[in-house]
Formats: sequence, structure tokens, C-alpha cells
Amino acid sequence: DSGVTQTPKHLITATGQRVTLRCSPRSGDLSVYWYQQSLDQGLQFLIQYYNGEERAKGNILERFSAQQFPDLHSELNLSSLELGDSALYFCASSVEDGQETQYFGPGTRLLVL
Amino acid sequence: AQKITQTQPGMFVQEKEAVTLDCTYDTSDQSYGLFWYKQPSSGEMIFLIYQGSYDEQNATEGRYSLNFQKARKSANLVISASQLGDSAMYFCAMRDAGTASKLTFGTGTRLQVTL
Repeated sequence: DSGVTQTPKHLITATGQRVTLRCSPRSGDLSVYWYQQSLDQGLQFLIQYYNGEERAKGNILERFSAQQFPDLHSELNLSSLELGDSALYFCASSVEDGQETQYFGPGTRLLVL
Repeated sequence: AQKITQTQPGMFVQEKEAVTLDCTYDTSDQSYGLFWYKQPSSGEMIFLIYQGSYDEQNATEGRYSLNFQKARKSANLVISASQLGDSAMYFCAMRDAGTASKLTFGTGTRLQVTL
């Protein structure tokens, strides 16, 4: 158990809908990262927050947004969902914003029908 | 651009044998970190081992060791005394100054441990 929690574990929804994925980092970790794992794109970095502020952005679609709250938990919002958004979404956390190890949560498996 | 290459889509190893999973990387930065993660069929990503570019010794964590050859830009994972529970996908990843904090992952190697 990495100490990173993600909810829900599974999510099935329809095209055009909006969902929110939630992540709680390990105790004491200030950085939260979101990654998407799909069959065709592999593991891709989406976005990073550090202590409540956006720190880095990767291949995140405009339909997707994220935030980190004062208690350091983070939410990833996915809207106007398409079939191609079906993937495993991981949250990871690290202590700071440097070269530390990122510990991954169990992931949220999203299926868009 | 930063790139991680894992050329072995799948590997088989017999229980109790050692196995090496290959990883080569490309970066123009002097400071970078290399990571290996394990992803069992249940889906979670488990951190295994880390090697910093300035570390002089190869990293070891239990049965896992990282064969770091800086000049060749390779960071192979060695698993000794394989166990059935080692059957999983293994991902090599890198972070360097150019990528800020994000990890760049390879495509993974699926390891199957047989009796």
C-alpha cells in the first residue's frame, strides 16, 4: 500500500458526461501528479500540483481540469467525455517538487460507453 | 526530447532464476533520475527502485538491482531469484531537469515467471 488513495476505483459513464476523480496524497506529501494510462498512448503525464498551485502541465486536454485543495487532496475533472477517454487514471504524490520518488495510487478505471 | 526505450515487450523466466529487463534512455541533461515500477494484473503501480545520475553505486533494493551504465545510457533492472509473484508489467521511467517533475515512461515489459 503506497499510502495514496483514489476514489472511485471504477467508473462507468456515457459519452458527453462529466466525472470527478479524487486523490488523497500520502501524509506529508505536497505534490500531486495525474497520469493517464491507455492502450494506445501508454502512460502519460497530465498535470502536477504543488501545495495548491499548478506546477506543470503535460498532455492534458482542455476538457480536463484539476485542482488541489488546502488539505492537499486533488480532483481531476473530465468533461464532455468521449470513448477515447476510457483509461486508467493514476494519481501519484511526492514530498516536494524535485527528484523525489513518486508513489502511485491504485488508479481509477474509467470506461466511457 | 526525453525518451525511454524498453525493447522487450515480453519475457519469460523460470522460478528462482535471475532476469534482466532492458531500459535505455535519452536525455541531454546531466542531472536526472531513473525509476522502475511494477504493475501487476490488478493495475496498481508499485515503485521498485531509483537511481540518480550522480550516484556512483548501482542501486539495490532486496532482490532488485539496477545495472546503471551511464555512458551507454542504460538502466537495466535485474531481478534475482524470480518468484511467481514477480509476474507483471515493468516500466522504466525517467525524470530530468528538462521535464520538470513529470515522469516519462517506457512502453513496458511483461514478465512471466514459470515453474
